[in-house]
Amino acid sequence: EVQLVESGGGLVQPGGSLRLSCAASGFTFSSYWMSWVRQAPGKGLEWVANIKPDGSEKYYVDSAKGRFTISRDNAKKSLYLQMNSLRAEDTAVFYCGRIIHETENSNRYFDLWGRGTLVTVSS
Amino acid sequence: SYELTQPPSVSVSPGQTASITCSGDKLGDKYVCWYQQKPGQSPVLVIYQDTKRPSGVPERFSGSNSGNTATLTISGTQAMDEADYYCQAWDSSTFYVFGTGTKVTVL
Repeated sequence: EVQLVESGGGLVQPGGSLRLSCAASGFTFSSYWMSWVRQAPGKGLEWVANIKPDGSEKYYVDSAKGRFTISRDNAKKSLYLQMNSLRAEDTAVFYCGRIIHETENSNRYFDLWGRGTLVTVSS
Repeated sequence: SYELTQPPSVSVSPGQTASITCSGDKLGDKYVCWYQQKPGQSPVLVIYQDTKRPSGVPERFSGSNSGNTATLTISGTQAMDEADYYCQAWDSSTFYVFGTGTKVTVL
């Protein structure tokens, strides 16, 4: 079955750290750009970071730069998000997403989503 | 930064047509997709590349994109279509941009 399964969420104090994981199955993980997208409670979707299939390129939303690090292990078919210096405003469900990325144009979107993992930043 | 704006809510009677707009500067020059998200669930892609439907998405879902506005149309709306809908485009400076979201209520 083609699926993404996130884990690693939980309650963390402001200033703390957390590492999210996403396990992929049912498709050739190493061929796809991958991403993290978050959704604060009752709010909309926000792209957080994405990574090239070979891990050589990584991009972040401004609010994540310097605090979050996206990485992947293609041998383990896994995507990660290391989050440091967490703030209350980082509280959200974090989704792992598979990206369809066409290099010759701007046709880029998420065709597969995980069920998400909840991160709560609170004292 | 690039922004996409959607109406907060749309109401539709069962069997009628619902239209959800997504507005952005020169949006017609970009590719737009749409996601459906039901309460407590992850988003599901319903339209990509402006007008295309993924396998398994009902034919009643269609899309268009021109000028500054993209539109998701649900024809013959059913109770199961009640959900939040988000448009999304890619911009070279802002990367993956999501619309503000529209709650569709089937009355």
